[in-house]
Amino acid sequence: GEDVEQSLFLSVREGDSSVINCTYTDSSSTYLYWYKQEPGAGLQLLTYIFSNMDMKQDQRLTVLLNKKDKHLSLRIADTQTGDSAIYFCAEGSSGGSYIPTFGRGTSLIVHP
Amino acid sequence: ETGVTQTPRHLVMGMTNKKSLKCEQHLGHNAMYWYKQSAKKPLELMFVYSLEERVENNSVPSRFSPECPNSSHLFLHLHTLQPEDSALYLCASSPYIEGLAGEEPPYEQYFGPGTRLTVT
Repeated sequence: GEDVEQSLFLSVREGDSSVINCTYTDSSSTYLYWYKQEPGAGLQLLTYIFSNMDMKQDQRLTVLLNKKDKHLSLRIADTQTGDSAIYFCAEGSSGGSYIPTFGRGTSLIVHP
Repeated sequence: ETGVTQTPRHLVMGMTNKKSLKCEQHLGHNAMYWYKQSAKKPLELMFVYSLEERVENNSVPSRFSPECPNSSHLFLHLHTLQPEDSALYLCASSPYIEGLAGEEPPYEQYFGPGTRLTVT
């Protein structure tokens, strides 16, 4: 299987919450990232969480980490049409090279 | 210009052509990367350069040839490509590829907008 797995698509209605899920295989992962790619643009770091944390909140974004199950999620509250993008989960390790490993990306489609 | 720029933004080439993709970063970073983004596949790391030296080459076919003349510029030379090479090619940069003492995460990578390549 892949090192980082995500579902390909998620469709939500404007104003609802979106939850994008990710699973990873490397138990030594130290940092877990969410990158956002808007149409016609490159990836941009949205948020990240250290592996010794369970949750991180940043305005409308909530990241939950279940290290035991190697499961990461990104919740976007009050989803807006401007949130429509591809969201990439990535994992990286500390010590030595920390080049992250990315998933396939989840396309979030927000309907008005 | 600021950030990471890539040219051209779109490229259509035949299988017998030779072309080059260019990436430039204005962030003072020491590491640069080429990624391939294909539909429904994980983002694929192709090449990594650190201080102008290639440090990683993930089994990429020889029809892709990278060049890093200095820490601000990165090229990807293309020749005799196949239709399955059609994809979005992303360039990225970061301060370093390895954690340094006293350096704080999140060790962010900065991406360019990509070159949409179509091989006919």
